[in-house]
Amino acid sequence: LAKTTQPISMDSYEGQEVNITCSHNNIATNDYITWYQQFPSQGPRFIIQGYKTKVTNEVASLFIPADRKSSTLSLPRVSLSDTAVYYCLVGGALYNFNKFYFGSGTKLNVKP
Amino acid sequence: SAVISQKPSRDICQRGTSLTIQCQVDSQVTMMFWYRQQPGQSLTLIATANQGSEATYESGFVIDKFPISRPNLTFSTLTVSNMSPEDSSIYLCSVAQTSGRGEQYFGPGTRLTVT
Repeated sequence: LAKTTQPISMDSYEGQEVNITCSHNNIATNDYITWYQQFPSQGPRFIIQGYKTKVTNEVASLFIPADRKSSTLSLPRVSLSDTAVYYCLVGGALYNFNKFYFGSGTKLNVKP
Repeated sequence: SAVISQKPSRDICQRGTSLTIQCQVDSQVTMMFWYRQQPGQSLTLIATANQGSEATYESGFVIDKFPISRPNLTFSTLTVSNMSPEDSSIYLCSVAQTSGRGEQYFGPGTRLTVT
């Protein structure tokens, strides 16, 4: 079972790029890396998912090195509304669905 | 993605009673999960509910305390039985497809307070 490690909290200012790194040293060959965002009093929201190299969507980018033992979520030009908790999860192999376990997450605080 | 609703959104219950939380999805999904989240804490997986089979519970959670039903591919319920103040928490359901890559979609949660 892949365990993830993230910084507990991060501070940033509006307009800056924020990079949140997650360590997952024992990721399995068929595991995907998925990131979620959670606002207070809401359920987590799927942000982005990847397997290797780089993935980009309208919200964020996900960078995964060749060894896949870590990943970095990149949020371009954050705003106050990006203040939330961000969770990194690994698992979910196709045809062999694994359960997901949420780590502590990273609380991002965006300041004006 | 899927749209998930939960009922009730919040409730205040007396100790010793039971509460059933409903999770409704707007499309058919293979996997449904129930989580618990204490205020300010991360999510803890309670059980996995697949249609047509018994729920699979995580360590520390038992069927007598948290019975789950999954009668079809769009609906599930979680009952919190014989409640105590320690059961006060937010309960969330999520869904995923085995044909996907494991991305989950979450409901808004049910905030339970036990007095």
